[in-house]
Order: sequence, then structure tokens, then C-alpha cells
Amino acid sequence: GESVGLHLPTLSVQEGDNSIINCAYSNSASDYFIWYKQESGKGPQFIIDIRSNMDKRQGQRVTVLLNKTVKHLSLQIAATQPGDSAVYFCAENKNQAGTALIFGKGTTLSVSS
Amino acid sequence: ETGVTQSPTHLIKTRGQQVTLRCSSQSGHNTVSWYQQALGQGPQFIFQYYREEENGRGNFPPRFSGLQFPNYSSELNVNALELDDSALYLCASSLTGGEEKLFFGSGTQLSVL
Repeated sequence: GESVGLHLPTLSVQEGDNSIINCAYSNSASDYFIWYKQESGKGPQFIIDIRSNMDKRQGQRVTVLLNKTVKHLSLQIAATQPGDSAVYFCAENKNQAGTALIFGKGTTLSVSS
Repeated sequence: ETGVTQSPTHLIKTRGQQVTLRCSSQSGHNTVSWYQQALGQGPQFIFQYYREEENGRGNFPPRFSGLQFPNYSSELNVNALELDDSALYLCASSLTGGEEKLFFGSGTQLSVL
């Protein structure tokens, strides 16, 4: 398929736990990957990105891991907070001029306190 | 907030009508991309405009058309509306045509009756 897929449509965690959201991509030529967070009624908000020449990148409370061998991407959120509740999308750039990001279907993260 | 603004926020049209959606890109960004997001799905790429020219297009019919203006703002036009066109339409701006990181607006929710 053309689009990026996700392993689980929903994920429920307790406040303070670490969350891991997984994503599988299909195009081995993709060289850029990005995670977005979308809250209800809002557009996608940039979280973190990574290029294919890296395996890991860290931000504030978030880490993205890239495994090119199995075409797998994950987003780790440390000490998950209720404000992290949202839909999370991974997206890939297929390394073609004039194309934009290709999104998966998303994982809904619910954080209970 | 990303600085990308879209108008209107909500719109109701009937089948067969035409609609124009508007977007102002973030300051300093010369590239605008449009996405369609159906309920429960990830955003789907419609097209991208760079320096007033179409710079890539997704799998959408010709009745979806666009414009970019010298100030880099953009319009999305949809003719002969169909019920399946009901969706959230997202505009995203980026620094250049080759920049993958997109900054999204909050979208226009279009309902076709």
C-alpha cells in the first residue's frame, strides 16, 4: 500500500506511565518521518521528526525510534499526562520532488488520571 | 499556534454546489499544501503550491483546484460537490517547496448535504 499504517487504533494509559505508539511504513525509499499530535477540533501539531540516516532522536519527553530493517517507527512519550490525550499520526516523505507527507490512520491515546 | 489561518471554520453546502476555502500561510513560508481529512482517517494529500505554481498533486479529481497568490496565501476550490467531499480540509505551510516539515492550520469543516 501507499500509506503509512499504525499497529493499534487506540492506546489507554495511566497518568505517569510511559506510552509507546507504533507505526509501520511501506516505502523503503522514504527518507524523512514525522509525528504529529491532533487534538479534537484542531489541526495536526508537530511533535518530532527524524531522517533515515538516524535511528533515534529525542525531544522534550518524546523519543522517536526508526528501524529501517523492518520499516518501523515508534514514538515514546515519557511520564504521560492527561494533556497528551489526542490522536497521533506518523507520516513519511516518499523522497519524490513535489510530494508532501503521506499519513497513516492514527492512534488515539487516552490518558486517565 | 502555527500562524497558519484558515477560513471559514465551518461550512455547509449542498450537492452540486461549488466551494472556496482560504488559507494564509505562516510568515516567511512560501509553500502551501492542502489535505483532506475524513472522519477517523489521516489527512490525505490533495496538492501543493510553491511560488504560485502547483508543485505536486495527490489522487484527487480535477474538480479540486487551487491557487496561490503573490503573498503566498492560497485557495482551494471544489466544484460539483459530492456527499463524500464532507471532511476537514487542512492547509499547511512550509518554509520552501523542498521542506518536509509542515505547519497546519485548524482546518475548515465542510459538510455537503
